[in-house]
Amino acid sequence: EDQVTQSPEALRLQEGESSSLNCSYTVSGLRGLFWYRQDPGKGPEFLFTLYSAGEEKEKERLKATLTKKESFLHITAPKPEDSATYLCAEVLGTGFQKLVFGTGTRLLVSP
Amino acid sequence: SQTIHQWPATLVQPVGSPLSLECTVEGTSNPNLYWYRQAAGRGLQLLFYSVGIGQISSEVPQNLSASRPQDRQFILSSKKLLLSDSGFYLCAWSSRENQPQHFGDGTRLSIL
Repeated sequence: EDQVTQSPEALRLQEGESSSLNCSYTVSGLRGLFWYRQDPGKGPEFLFTLYSAGEEKEKERLKATLTKKESFLHITAPKPEDSATYLCAEVLGTGFQKLVFGTGTRLLVSP
Repeated sequence: SQTIHQWPATLVQPVGSPLSLECTVEGTSNPNLYWYRQAAGRGLQLLFYSVGIGQISSEVPQNLSASRPQDRQFILSSKKLLLSDSGFYLCAWSSRENQPQHFGDGTRLSIL
């Protein structure tokens, strides 16, 4: 069964303290991997799509990278407003019709 | 730009009552539409998806059903709610050109 595993479950950082979140997937022939940010009581907000090993995408303090077995979301010099749950999802099927989501990493950035 | 609307934001229903949650998308045509449920401590679970009017695929056997009466309208229904139907329900859309899924702000459903 295809599965996406995220670690750690929760992460507490001081403002400015950089770190990385991990997303491991277990399907052969990855068609794509998405990163989302979810604030409490809200729907997930799309951040990045990665398609092939070695690919990198950046947005402000976030950078997503992809290897053949896992993806990382690097957070550089985080601010309190970066506090959220970060979800990764693996693409199944064609036409991006199905996503398998991990359970997320809850990030708290303290001032 | 495209927007997605879900309502209501919160809903409290008794066991055995019917359910209707609505989702509409604006600013795009022929979107793929999805219903997910998110339980505490678990990942988003895909319930239904649709690639066109009247075309519904179900991912898991359950007490719920979905319908797509118009191109940009997706409805999640139940005839009799169970306690296990409680959760956070999210609607999403994607274009047909292999773009990411974009989510609404969800409905928090509590069954008493």
